[in-house]
Amino acid sequence: QSLLTQPPSASGTPGQRVTISCSGSRSNVGGNYVNWYQQLPGTAPKLLIYRNNQRPSGVSDRFSASKSGTSASLAISGLRSEDEADYYCAAWDDSLSGQVFGGGTKLTVL
Amino acid sequence: EVQLVESGGGLVQPGGSLRLSCAASGFSFDDYAMHWVRRAPGKGLEWVSGISWNSGGLHYADSVKGRFTISRDNAKNSLYLQMNSLRPEDTALYYCARSLGVAGHMDYWGQGALVTVSS
Repeated sequence: QSLLTQPPSASGTPGQRVTISCSGSRSNVGGNYVNWYQQLPGTAPKLLIYRNNQRPSGVSDRFSASKSGTSASLAISGLRSEDEADYYCAAWDDSLSGQVFGGGTKLTVL
Repeated sequence: EVQLVESGGGLVQPGGSLRLSCAASGFSFDDYAMHWVRRAPGKGLEWVSGISWNSGGLHYADSVKGRFTISRDNAKNSLYLQMNSLRPEDTALYYCARSLGVAGHMDYWGQGALVTVSS
């Protein structure tokens, strides 16, 4: 069972806006940066958002994220079929002295 | 161009050992912490282990502590994961990834090495 809790699935139609939540505790989300990763089928994970809300160069501005307290969320606007992937939140955990990932959310574009 | 290439995966019996390697190129390897992250069949990503740039900090998930050892050779731009006492639940695709600081975000990932633990 992951220390960071994500919904196992999410879905939306093309053009819609969807959000994915990530709930943790003071030792991880509450006290450290949250990062988001996208894993397309059959490929390696890719950094999508870092330091709570920063987009790496080349990542579409359709992806945004925020953090408040011990929760974080990822938003995808203007949903496209190519956004179908698994999405993971992650953070450093001070108690474990290690990184922790959420269980992942499988996004389906209907 | 940043490249991380894993090798050393394969089929091993329960209780056996395997050593994964990750060859890095295209960046100053000794400026970065490195990690191993795995994904088991039908499961999500699981962080396995991380090592600071100078090997001064070694970090492990509880699930592998005492069985796996992470190491690096900055002269060879290489990262390693020695896996002992392997269990069927260690079956996964193992990725190496880099970060600025062991607590930082992982901005580049390799394509993974498959480890299968089965009799």
